[in-house]
Amino acid sequence: NAGVMQNPRHLVRRRGQEARLRCSPMKGHSHVYWYRQLPEEGLKFMVYLQKENIIDESGMPKERFSAEFPKEGPSILRIQQVVRGDSAAYFCASSGGRNEKLFFGSGTQLSVL
Amino acid sequence: DQQVKQNSPSLSVQEGRISILNCDYTNSMFDYFLWYKKYPAEGPTFLISISSIKDKNEDGRFTVFLNKSAKHLSLHIVPSQPGDSAVYFCAASAGSGGNEKLTFGTGTRLTIIP
Repeated sequence: NAGVMQNPRHLVRRRGQEARLRCSPMKGHSHVYWYRQLPEEGLKFMVYLQKENIIDESGMPKERFSAEFPKEGPSILRIQQVVRGDSAAYFCASSGGRNEKLFFGSGTQLSVL
Repeated sequence: DQQVKQNSPSLSVQEGRISILNCDYTNSMFDYFLWYKKYPAEGPTFLISISSIKDKNEDGRFTVFLNKSAKHLSLHIVPSQPGDSAVYFCAASAGSGGNEKLTFGTGTRLTIIP
C-alpha cells in the first residue's frame, strides 16, 4: 500500500505531556500538509512543508506546536505540553507538487486527559 | 469565522435518486473549489473540483455546479448508490490555483437508503 501513512492511529496523552504525530507521504511525494479537525468542525489547515522546508505555517498555533519534514524519514507534528483543547483528529496529506491533488492519510486521533 | 458553510449536517436519499449537497462561501478570493468524501476512520478522498472560470464540471455520476454571484456550489450525485453513504466536505482555496491551504466546510452526512 503506497498511500499516506499516519501513526499512531490513536494517541492518549495527559495534560502537560508531549504528543508526536508521524506522517509518511505517498511514495514520490515531497509536499506534506497537516490539517486538524476539532469535534463538529471542518478540517483546518495548519502547515505546509516540503522536504526540510516550511512553506506556509499560517495555520499553526503560535506556541507549543511545531512541524518538520526532514530529508530522511517521516514528517513530524509535535505538540508540547498538551491541553484538553488539543484533542482532535490530525490529518496529514501529501502531493507530488504544489498544485497537484492531495492524498490524505487516515488521521491520528489525539485525546488529552 | 466559517468561510465555507455546509448548512445541512445530514441528508437521506433513496437509492437511485439524485443527491444534492450544497455549500456556500463568503470569501470572494476563493477561486478553486473541491469536494471530498470521507468514510469513518479514513481520511478524506478527493471527488471532484471546479475552477472559478467554470460553472460546471462533470465526472461520471458526480457533477459540481458553481454560482459565483451567489457564492454557492452544489454537488449532484446521480444515480445515488449505497456506497455513496459518507460525509461530504466542500473545500475552497484562494490565489494558489490549486490544493494548498484548503478551507473546509463542516461536512454533510449523506445516507443512501436502499
